[in-house]
Amino acid sequence: SAVISQKPSRDICQRGTSLTIQCQVDSQVTMMFWYRQQPGQSLTLIATANQGSEATYESGFVIDKFPISRPNLTFSTLTVSNMSPEDSSIYLCSVTSGGLAKNIQYFGAGTRLSVL
Amino acid sequence: GDSVTQMEGPVTLSEEAFLTINCTYTATGYPSLFWYVQYPGEGLQLLLKATKADDKGSNKGFEATYRKETTSFHLEKGSVQVSDSAVYFCALSGTRGGNKLTFGTGTQLKVEL
Repeated sequence: SAVISQKPSRDICQRGTSLTIQCQVDSQVTMMFWYRQQPGQSLTLIATANQGSEATYESGFVIDKFPISRPNLTFSTLTVSNMSPEDSSIYLCSVTSGGLAKNIQYFGAGTRLSVL
Repeated sequence: GDSVTQMEGPVTLSEEAFLTINCTYTATGYPSLFWYVQYPGEGLQLLLKATKADDKGSNKGFEATYRKETTSFHLEKGSVQVSDSAVYFCALSGTRGGNKLTFGTGTQLKVEL
């Protein structure tokens, strides 16, 4: 399985600011995803990060609020823009590789964000 | 659309007790089914999976069988340990929409001595 590193692991931010979260994988992967896990809740898919093109956002999530980059097959960033306390969540990056394991997603350790 | 329903927690057991966490799903076609575990303060780890009907996924003493007829994928372990205390998520990857995962709400398991 791929080794996924997320940075930062946690942060405390002020209302109105933005935070960029990085996801680095130790090997080339087919797909990269960004999820949000609000306190005490399950995971919700924010978007699929597409290499070399705009991300594909799920219903309820927009590019202006959550801009995503994926410049290559091993790296992606998620920015949480103009933050409010409601954005306090764990943000997780996940990846799939190809071949026989193509439908298995592996997750990073997550970024724990608190917005004051 | 696809959905996953899990039993609500928390589930509190004594060490060496038998564990069952129920999971049922709604999906078109033949989804792949997963159990993920989230230990305190950590991200999600894949626990086990099954990709077709009657498949049994197993890992670390945990098992789950893909039951097409009952649309279920219940997680079981014969003897739990304190170290199994975590939140367990059932998930499916549908046959449409690429590899997107749909998660259940998660079930917290607490194992006491």
